[in-house]
Amino acid sequence: GAVVSQHPSWVICKSGTSVKIECRSLDFQATTMFWYRQFPKQSLMLMATSNEGSKATYEQGVEKDKFLINHASLTLSTLTVTSAHPEDSSFYICSARSSGSNQPQHFGDGTRLSIL
Amino acid sequence: SQQGEEDPQALSIQEGENATMNCSYKTSINNLQWYRQNSGRGLVHLILIRSNEREKHSGRLRVTLDTSKKSSSLLITASRAADTASYFCATPGQGWGTYKYIFGTGTRLKVLA
Repeated sequence: GAVVSQHPSWVICKSGTSVKIECRSLDFQATTMFWYRQFPKQSLMLMATSNEGSKATYEQGVEKDKFLINHASLTLSTLTVTSAHPEDSSFYICSARSSGSNQPQHFGDGTRLSIL
Repeated sequence: SQQGEEDPQALSIQEGENATMNCSYKTSINNLQWYRQNSGRGLVHLILIRSNEREKHSGRLRVTLDTSKKSSSLLITASRAADTASYFCATPGQGWGTYKYIFGTGTRLKVLA
């Protein structure tokens, strides 16, 4: 089956630090990748959609300068939380899909980010 | 908001019983997907049902779709403790070619051994 690797699985850092999260599709070409944020016992909130080689499309209310997304290849997308603050603490999950309609999304195992 | 709503929010059953969870959505769709999430993990795709399908089976899972009522249900038969997880429905987001999906509020299922 399609495998998506997300790294790191958890990170704790000081306020003001920038944190980069990687999302890799290991055995398929991910033409589209998605980044989500999830609060405890809540659903996934889509932050942005990125297509390989083009700028990410951010959902309303998501600061693009705060959450930098890069999708430079068909197997790798990164999310950088810049100058992170405690309110950015959350569970971040990426997913990836290959081209074609009705393709499922394949999810990484998420990154738990804690900002002190 | 386009987000689908699921009910119940939480469900606790005994092993061996069936679990049914429902999803209601707001816009016209061409397909609907169900996902499962174990605590602290990513989501796993369970099943996709197209708008021209009324029912679909996969092992112990049965999904129905009623486009006239804009609702779907997921039935897990003969549940096991390992089925304990959160279950989400997902529907396509607005905008042609975006391929994004909007996830429902989720049902937290607990299967007691």
